[in-house]
Amino acid sequence: DTAVSQTPKYLVTQMGNDKSIKCEQNLGHDTMYWYKQDSKKFLKIMFSYNNKELIINETVPNRFSPKSPDKAHLNLHINSLELGDSAVYFCASSSRGGFNTQYFGPGTRLTVL
Amino acid sequence: DQQVKQNSPSLSVQEGRISILNCDYTNSMFDYFLWYKKYPAEGPTFLISISSIKDKNEDGRFTVFLNKSAKHLSLHIVPSQPGDSAVYFCAASGLNAGNMLTFGGGTRLMVKP
Repeated sequence: DTAVSQTPKYLVTQMGNDKSIKCEQNLGHDTMYWYKQDSKKFLKIMFSYNNKELIINETVPNRFSPKSPDKAHLNLHINSLELGDSAVYFCASSSRGGFNTQYFGPGTRLTVL
Repeated sequence: DQQVKQNSPSLSVQEGRISILNCDYTNSMFDYFLWYKKYPAEGPTFLISISSIKDKNEDGRFTVFLNKSAKHLSLHIVPSQPGDSAVYFCAASGLNAGNMLTFGGGTRLMVKP
């Protein structure tokens, strides 16, 4: 009965590859997010998405793209992986109504070699 | 330019005493503030929040105080327990696009038995 789940938990890949991280939430939320936690442990928003709009943090390279097959899923696709993409990626979700309390998944540690 | 800052990277407290974690922000458009707790290899867990129309919110051992004029908030944990040892992140959201959260850099709390 996990609220927000991510797969895989660990991902090790070579530079230049394309990879995806999956996220699913069973909270009935209508907005989902992707965050990146870098080596300095800062959590930074990458994307915010609901069925009406995608909001992209302007600092995110266009090699990163979110894809939402339905309201419960927001997957993160990364093309042409670079060493600097190594980080922990967190998915989160919230309900649009009321205050924006976001609930996070367990994270995916991506290592690019 | 960090809009949310946690100036203490770490804090050590004796079990049973009060833990006070501090957070400062610069963006006056923020109107909702949250505290998250994070254990290693897990996602951030929502702890407590406060809206800008209040100056205090209490939930069991956890109390959040908001001083809007000083753009400062704090989390009080009393009494502190060894299980409270974790990294605590302050976050804020507001009328920015997508209601995305802006996080502070975190404070590592160690509660000694």
